[in-house]
Amino acid sequence: GESVGLHLPTLSVQEGDNSIINCAYSNSASDYFIWYKQESGKGPQFIIDIRSNMDKRQGQRVTVLLNKTVKHLSLQIAATQPGDSAVYFCADAPDSWGKFQFGAGTQVVVTP
Amino acid sequence: DTGVSQNPRHKITKRGQNVTFRCDPISEHNRLYWYRQTLGQGPEFLTYFQNEAQLEKSRLLSDRFSAERPKGSFSTLEIQRTEQGDSAMYLCASRRQGNNEKLFFGSGTQLSVL
Repeated sequence: GESVGLHLPTLSVQEGDNSIINCAYSNSASDYFIWYKQESGKGPQFIIDIRSNMDKRQGQRVTVLLNKTVKHLSLQIAATQPGDSAVYFCADAPDSWGKFQFGAGTQVVVTP
Repeated sequence: DTGVSQNPRHKITKRGQNVTFRCDPISEHNRLYWYRQTLGQGPEFLTYFQNEAQLEKSRLLSDRFSAERPKGSFSTLEIQRTEQGDSAMYLCASRRQGNNEKLFFGSGTQLSVL
């Protein structure tokens, strides 16, 4: 079946550097995407979303890029901090019912 | 704190026992979702409600699982005759009805079946 997946299971980044987390999706009908951050023992925390009629959206220290042509999504974190260490998930909603599908996640490890 | 509340945070039970989890969504959200997450995996959809109506159930939801949202506010997820394979984090989420509405998660209930 169609699914959302991530390219790398673990990303190690030095404190202060920028992080880029990638995500591929396969459902061409998906029109809404969310990035979540999940710390150990906690539920996923909303970071930023993007609609399919956009190709870029910026938040505080985060930017999401959407390339519908190749069905690719990325999350950029500027000036990565120790508090950014977590697992990051992308999720897509293939319809208006909001039944989001998640990939396995990328573990981001911030080193001093 | 997203405003989605789940209880209990942790549940340890013996195989064969029944367990029930509760979720209180954000008050103005009429859609409520249950997901299950195992270690190292992303959340997997189980079921969802629009108000009190349960609209869809995943194949993951065997007949030992039942979910209710009797008054369209809080929801419960019950697992009967628990098995060790049921050990997971059970996540509840809610959102408003409509396109492109954000989905907010609770902190989850971590179930351990011994």
